[in-house]
Amino acid sequence: QVQLQESGPGLVKPSETLSLTCTVSGGSISSYYWNWVRQPPGKGLEWVGYMFHSGYTNSNPSLKSRVSISVDRSKNQFSLRLNSVTAADTAVYYCASGVSGSYSGRYYYYLDAWGKGIAVTVS
Amino acid sequence: QSVLTQPPSASGTPGQRVTISCSETSSSIGSEYIDWYQQLPGMAPKLLIYRNNQRPSGVPDRFSGSKSGTSASLAISRLRSEDEADYYCATWDDSLSGPVFGGGTKLTVL
Repeated sequence: QVQLQESGPGLVKPSETLSLTCTVSGGSISSYYWNWVRQPPGKGLEWVGYMFHSGYTNSNPSLKSRVSISVDRSKNQFSLRLNSVTAADTAVYYCASGVSGSYSGRYYYYLDAWGKGIAVTVS
Repeated sequence: QSVLTQPPSASGTPGQRVTISCSETSSSIGSEYIDWYQQLPGMAPKLLIYRNNQRPSGVPDRFSGSKSGTSASLAISRLRSEDEADYYCATWDDSLSGPVFGGGTKLTVL
């Protein structure tokens, strides 16, 4: 199973851009979906966005205009940029690998490996 | 508002069997499969059950999942103190074109 590790600044000023990187080990980034999920303090999980290994990206409509996800295959890393941040973007950010497919004619998608998370405060 | 509804809390005593429910409340759900994640205190979420009832390697068989119609359940038998955690159900949401999580259930082992 792949292992993931988030890195980046733990403090971002309001209106600036949050930038995080996830380093993938034990597997190639040229497979799977690569996700970002966040968790505000004391709250539940919120999917931020993903990048398919082909380069296709998608993000949560609530964040879409502010989110950018990219990949650096040479380093086996993918990155998140969230611009114009506010205090509401304060959260622990996790990167996770996504598995999808069809089984018995039905679509499935789950996150099978997660990084340890990185706490980001907007202040 | 989440399209998957979970009770905010559940509890049980060691050795007991507890269940946590997850109800689909939106027609935008695009998958018939529910997954479950366990988040121990201060830790990252971990995949516990996928495709309704499949356990990843290393997950004890005390954990089981089921689904009927628009409702899913996670059952934990022979409850242990280390099972105290937050549990989240999740599925694919067509309106997001991405995964959606339930609000989470905090399980307390008394």
